[in-house]
Amino acid sequence: EVQLLESGGGLVQPGGSLRLSCAASGFTFSNYAMSWVRQAPGKGLEWVSGSSSSGGSTNYADSVKGRFTLSRDNSKNTLHLQMNSLGAEDTAVYYCAKAIALAAFYYFDNWGQGTLVTVSS
Amino acid sequence: EIVMTQSPATLSVSPGERATLSCRASQSVRSNLAWYQQKPGQAPRLLIYGASTRATGIPARFSGSGSGTEFTLTISSLQSEDFAVYYCQQYNNWPGSFGQGTKLEIK
Repeated sequence: EVQLLESGGGLVQPGGSLRLSCAASGFTFSNYAMSWVRQAPGKGLEWVSGSSSSGGSTNYADSVKGRFTLSRDNSKNTLHLQMNSLGAEDTAVYYCAKAIALAAFYYFDNWGQGTLVTVSS
Repeated sequence: EIVMTQSPATLSVSPGERATLSCRASQSVRSNLAWYQQKPGQAPRLLIYGASTRATGIPARFSGSGSGTEFTLTISSLQSEDFAVYYCQQYNNWPGSFGQGTKLEIK
């Protein structure tokens, strides 16, 4: 059974930083692309960042480019999202998602339960 | 970026009846479309990919159709556990994009 367990969320002041982690199990982590998708309170889904299976290629939504950095450790089956210069607009539940790379992008066949990031003073 | 528009925003249907949810893309996404279900306080769950292929473990009452710019998710006989928010997502173009969701509520 695929399991994705996020951690690292919490309350942070505007301009601060946070590092999210996702621990994966139940599948061969190194064979799959992975992504973070977020959901602001009461809002819809927004893709944030994605990594190729090797970690050699990462990409970002325009809204976070230059502020967020995605990395993965295939030896430890973990995915990390370093978030810097956080603003109120980054307040959301952040989901780790196993991605199926098709066409030009991905769809997401398994999701973690999410970790809440709140940016507030 | 491709804009995905879902309609209606809210759909009220009685248990046992059929529900039809729509998703429109601002340009063709071929058949590269997925549907997700999200219940309150839970993560999204993949229902359909490739516009019409059910994901593993998804009941046959869920079906997807369409290609190009017009897509439909049909739930043939609503069960109590089906009342949720449904999102479509295109993955044909970079970056992928989600619709704003349709809330399926009990009538």
